[in-house]
Amino acid sequence: NAGVTQTPKFQVLKTGQSMTLQCAQDMNHEYMSWYRQDPGMGLRLIHYSVGAGITDQGEVPNGYNVSRSTTEDFPLRLLSAAPSQTSVYFCASSFPDREGQETQYFGPGTRLLVL
Amino acid sequence: AQSVAQPEDQVNVAEGNPLTVKCTYSVSGNPYLFWYVQYPNRGLQFLLKYITGDNLVKGSYGFEAEFNKSQTSFHLKKPSALVSDSALYFCAVREPNTDKLIFGTGTRLQVFP
Repeated sequence: NAGVTQTPKFQVLKTGQSMTLQCAQDMNHEYMSWYRQDPGMGLRLIHYSVGAGITDQGEVPNGYNVSRSTTEDFPLRLLSAAPSQTSVYFCASSFPDREGQETQYFGPGTRLLVL
Repeated sequence: AQSVAQPEDQVNVAEGNPLTVKCTYSVSGNPYLFWYVQYPNRGLQFLLKYITGDNLVKGSYGFEAEFNKSQTSFHLKKPSALVSDSALYFCAVREPNTDKLIFGTGTRLQVFP
């Protein structure tokens, strides 16, 4: 298994540009999520999905869209990039263990710089 | 609202010495607590979790964590630190009845040879 993969690894955008951060997992996990990591703030949840066709907002959803057309893929779209969206973005997926509790597995991250 | 606090931005320890990375939590109901580690330019890796049962939880790479309900703490520990343990450590709590994790701000562990 490749686990959770993210592309691109690094991206530079100009203010106002749009782009899509890709995330894929090959573990048949139902739950997927996007976080952003900023210095001194830990990880903050942007959007998440509990299965194909179902998405919901996290803590900081503004400026981002998601969709979940398949179990494997969970792309994150920036509609009109702003400097405040400069961050490192992590995708994660999870499955319930024998106790029914989820353990999340993270991708390697996408480093985004918005000028 | 659920939350976790990591009071130390950085912890410095000499190789071979025991280490502790602190975490306190605030949750309604039973806490589901996690520790993750992030090495430079990498994603987060799961270390261990507490769901129920023994207060001392053993995880990957020789780490363990002690759940203390009266002190609402879940400190990460290791008896003998390695230079390779140097990384960023995150404590997290699962929001009840969801799969969402709420992360602390992270603690950078620096182990000196």
